Amino acid sequence: EVQLVESGGGLVKPGGSLRLSCAASGFTFTSYSMNWVRQAPGKALEWVSYITSGSTYRYYADSVRGRFSISRDNAKNSVYLQMNSLRAEDTAVYYCARDASDNGFFDYWGQGTLVTVSS
Amino acid sequence: DIQMTQSPSTLSASVGDRVTITCRASQSVSTWLAWYQQKPGKAPKLLIYKTSSLKSGVPSRFSGSGSGTEFTLTISSLQPDDFATYYCQQFNNRPWTFGQGTKVEV
Repeated sequence: EVQLVESGGGLVKPGGSLRLSCAASGFTFTSYSMNWVRQAPGKALEWVSYITSGSTYRYYADSVRGRFSISRDNAKNSVYLQMNSLRAEDTAVYYCARDASDNGFFDYWGQGTLVTVSS
Repeated sequence: DIQMTQSPSTLSASVGDRVTITCRASQSVSTWLAWYQQKPGKAPKLLIYKTSSLKSGVPSRFSGSGSGTEFTLTISSLQPDDFATYYCQQFNNRPWTFGQGTKVEV
């Protein structure tokens, strides 16, 4: 069974940093690209970042480029999102999502981790 | 960026109703469109990809159609478990973008 489990969310002050983790199991992690998708309270889904299976390519939404960094450790079956210079508008539930055969849609999602940016 | 617009934003329906949700793209996305279902406090679940392909395990009452800029998600006979919010997503061009969601309520 495919499982994605996020962790690392919490309350952080504006300008602060946070690192999210996503532990994957139940599939061959090294065969899949991975994504982070977020959802602000009561709002729609927003794609945040993408990383290929071998970390060769990484893409970011304009709203986070230069502040967020995606990485992965295939030995640990994990993907990470380093978030710096956090703003109030980054407050959201952050989901880790598997990219379905590197097509750009998401066939499995984690349960999400809440990031709250507030003073 | 490609803008995705769903209509309606909220839909009131009853069990057994046929329900149709529309998703329009600001430019052509060919057939590179997916639909997700999300219930309150839960992660989204993939229902349909590439416009009309049903993910394994998804009930056959869900179907999708369209191409270019206009797409529909149809639930042929609404079941109690189907009351949720539905999102379309284009994956023709990065950044991948979602619609604003359609809430199906009683």
